[in-house]
Amino acid sequence: DTEVTQTPKHLVMGMTNKKSLKCEQHMGHRAMYWYKQKAKKPPELMFVYSYEKLSINESVPSRFSPECPNSSLLNLHLHALQPEDSALYLCASSQGERGTQYFGPGTRLLVL
Amino acid sequence: KQEVTQIPAALSVPEGENLVLNCSFTDSAIYNLQWFRQDPGKGLTSLLLIQSSQREQTSGRLNASLDKSSGRSTLYIAASQPGDSATYLCAVSGTGNQFYFGTGTSLTVIP
Repeated sequence: DTEVTQTPKHLVMGMTNKKSLKCEQHMGHRAMYWYKQKAKKPPELMFVYSYEKLSINESVPSRFSPECPNSSLLNLHLHALQPEDSALYLCASSQGERGTQYFGPGTRLLVL
Repeated sequence: KQEVTQIPAALSVPEGENLVLNCSFTDSAIYNLQWFRQDPGKGLTSLLLIQSSQREQTSGRLNASLDKSSGRSTLYIAASQPGDSATYLCAVSGTGNQFYFGTGTSLTVIP
């Protein structure tokens, strides 16, 4: 099974809302990633968790808060977002830094 | 910081043609290079992974090569099909789980 699942598929939220994105994998991977992708642009790395510890935070605003409750699950908590945060949010996992990255289908986020 | 560039940005070919997509990177200290395809509005599908010690990888009609010293990789697609139409992205990984994507090549295969 090489599947990474993400929920929800679509999300519309106002600037005062709090919501969460969820990512799950059951491949035993110990590295998990959040990316943000704007239209017609490549994905941009946001956060990396390695062995359930945050190892990379690419200067992401504090209105995005990642969480890794266990080795299979990765959350991204959203609060007080701006319209420019509207994008496709992708989750990925890999065995380690030398392994193949497997991506989920993404969550399409629209901030009004 | 690693810079990854893909040329061309867009490519349109008739069905059946062989084609080559290019990827270049500025820092040769990489662990591996991965090629992905992305259909509009969808996630990324991994196509091939080349470790830094390897020269090439093959999967079906796809062949990817890596020249680490010159900072280049190519993805060769044989006998292209309309179903190959997508955006192709290369990405390189370095130390500390860093992962840098290229700018992408949008491929259209015309029936």
